[in-house]
Amino acid sequence: AQTVTQSQPEMSVQEAETVTLSCTYDTSESNYYLFWYKQPPSRQMILVIRQEAYKQQNATENRFSVNFQKAAKSFSLKISDSQLGDTAMYFCAFIYSNAGGTSYGKLTFGQGTILTVHP
Amino acid sequence: NAGVTQTPKFQVLKTGQSMTLQCAQDMNHEYMSWYRQDPGMGLRLIHYSVGAGITDQGEVPNGYNVSRSTTEDFPLRLLSAAPSQTSVYFCASRTRDRGSPLHFGNGTRLTVT
Repeated sequence: AQTVTQSQPEMSVQEAETVTLSCTYDTSESNYYLFWYKQPPSRQMILVIRQEAYKQQNATENRFSVNFQKAAKSFSLKISDSQLGDTAMYFCAFIYSNAGGTSYGKLTFGQGTILTVHP
Repeated sequence: NAGVTQTPKFQVLKTGQSMTLQCAQDMNHEYMSWYRQDPGMGLRLIHYSVGAGITDQGEVPNGYNVSRSTTEDFPLRLLSAAPSQTSVYFCASRTRDRGSPLHFGNGTRLTVT
């Protein structure tokens, strides 16, 4: 079974600074995808960024980028120029697909990291 | 485009009562799933479906039933509510394409007293 671990229950950062959220995972699969989701106080789940395991290039979306280390099974999220609106819980998630397709939709989530951006 | 619609947003039940959480999506997604979110535990998969007429159990299925009679709808039934089922519930859907992300509803906060 796949596991996803976020070892930082809470983090804080000053506005305009950079913060990195950690995520490690355990899998024997070679073909998979990793995601970061953001959950603001509104409770809505918002996709932040996606990484394909077979792509060595780290994904980037505006101020959000990842450091994907496949051998180390590490997938950290870097938020640059932090904004007050980045205050949220962030979830790391993993999904793979097998030949039968029955694992489709089975996203495995980490425990979450609460990020607070201070003015 | 409504996306994934969950109802109700909030619900309070007494122990032993039953209820159905509704979920509908208008994106023609093949895959739908239910998660529960509890503090310190992330989101855990309850049940999922890979298409109409096909459902399967996730990580924490006990006390819940699902059915998928249409592509659009995937209701979650609590058979006999227990305080341990107090949680926030999310319905989510995605296409069958590899790596396609989950699209989430806005969640239901359920309290069982």
